[in-house]
Amino acid sequence: NAGVTQTPKFQVLKTGQSMTLQCAQDMNHNSMYWYRQDPGMGLRLIYYSASEGTTDKGEVPNGYNVSRLNKREFSLRLESAAPSQTSVYFCASSEAGRPYNEQFFGPGTRLTVL
Amino acid sequence: KNQVEQSPQSLIILEGKNCTLQCNYTVSPFSNLRWYKQDTGRGPVSLTIMTFSENTKSNGRYTATLDADTKQSSLHITASQLSDSASYICVVSRHNTNAGKSTFGDGTTLTVKP
Repeated sequence: NAGVTQTPKFQVLKTGQSMTLQCAQDMNHNSMYWYRQDPGMGLRLIYYSASEGTTDKGEVPNGYNVSRLNKREFSLRLESAAPSQTSVYFCASSEAGRPYNEQFFGPGTRLTVL
Repeated sequence: KNQVEQSPQSLIILEGKNCTLQCNYTVSPFSNLRWYKQDTGRGPVSLTIMTFSENTKSNGRYTATLDADTKQSSLHITASQLSDSASYICVVSRHNTNAGKSTFGDGTTLTVKP
């Protein structure tokens, strides 16, 4: 099992460009999440999907959109990138009832917006 | 406001020594508390999970304690190794909520020197 995979690993964008971060999990989990992590700060939730077909805003959703494509895949889109969105983005998944919603994280995508 | 405060922010110890990291929280109603280890450039990995009724849990050289009355947790690392150098994140979840509503601490950065 690969667990949670993310693509790309690194990306550099210019202000105003758009891009989609991809995430997939092979653990048959219902719930998936997108976080951002800025230097010296904790993980902040952008959006999450409790189950296929549903998405909800987290703590910092502005400037992002998400799509739960199917049970395995959850993508994060930046429509018009801004320097403030320079960060490391982590995708995670969990299964309700499995050790109290333990989240499994991907390796992250390092995004720089110039 | 639901908050998780970790201390110290950073810590440097010599290989072979023990150390203790602290986590205080105001999250209510409490469901569970998890400690994650995040190696540089990687996603967080779960170390321990504790519920209200558990006051200690071990995972090898890592021992977590929980005092639900004072809303404090600690992570004790015994006989530290160079590979313990990482960020340690405390995460607290509220009762009857999706894991997407978990509150993350900012983490403690541990450096183990030879």
